[in-house]
Amino acid sequence: GAVVSQHPSRVICKSGTSVKIECRSLDFQATTMFWYRQFPKQSLMLMATSNEGSKATYEQGVEKDKFLINHASLTLSTLTVTSAHPEDSSFYICSANGGSNTEAFFGQGTRLTVV
Amino acid sequence: AQSVTQPDIHITVSEGASLELRCNYSYGATPYLFWYVQSPGQGLQLLLKYFSGDTLVQGIKGFEAEFKRSQSSFNLRKPSVHWSDAAEYFCAVLRDSSYKLIFGSGTRLLVRP
Repeated sequence: GAVVSQHPSRVICKSGTSVKIECRSLDFQATTMFWYRQFPKQSLMLMATSNEGSKATYEQGVEKDKFLINHASLTLSTLTVTSAHPEDSSFYICSANGGSNTEAFFGQGTRLTVV
Repeated sequence: AQSVTQPDIHITVSEGASLELRCNYSYGATPYLFWYVQSPGQGLQLLLKYFSGDTLVQGIKGFEAEFKRSQSSFNLRKPSVHWSDAAEYFCAVLRDSSYKLIFGSGTRLLVRP
């Protein structure tokens, strides 16, 4: 299957700083990527849909100024958590549509800890 | 609104025993359904999916799932569980054609030696 690479896999940052997470489709072009957030022992909640060359679409309740999403190319989307606070600590996972458009492939996730 | 319910928070089975993880969905039209597995600290791996056709779907790692429209269910099964199957399992339904997924709350599978 197609491969989606997410980097970094783990990051610790100080409160008030910003953190950037990258999501790359390695062997296919992804016009649409998705960013999910997963709290401990909970399910994944969609945060936003990232569209190549246009603004991201955010789900209700997600602060777009806090979670900046950029999808500058067909193989790369980035999520920047700005002015991070401890409550932003979570597991963030991206996914991308496969070329055949029959399934979404997930990255391995990023564990963000804000101290 | 679409939703997915996984009634069992965690299930423990003995290695070699059979397994069934429950999933119920709420969806107006014919749903597109998925089962994913997540190992600790990892992303999600697709086990199988149902879009249409045969209601019994075969997946990877010996898993299968059966779509039952009358029961709004898409239960995951495996005839003989291996210790390496211990993980978190998520059922999901496609929210719309853009491939946004709605996930159930997950079921943690523990495997006894």
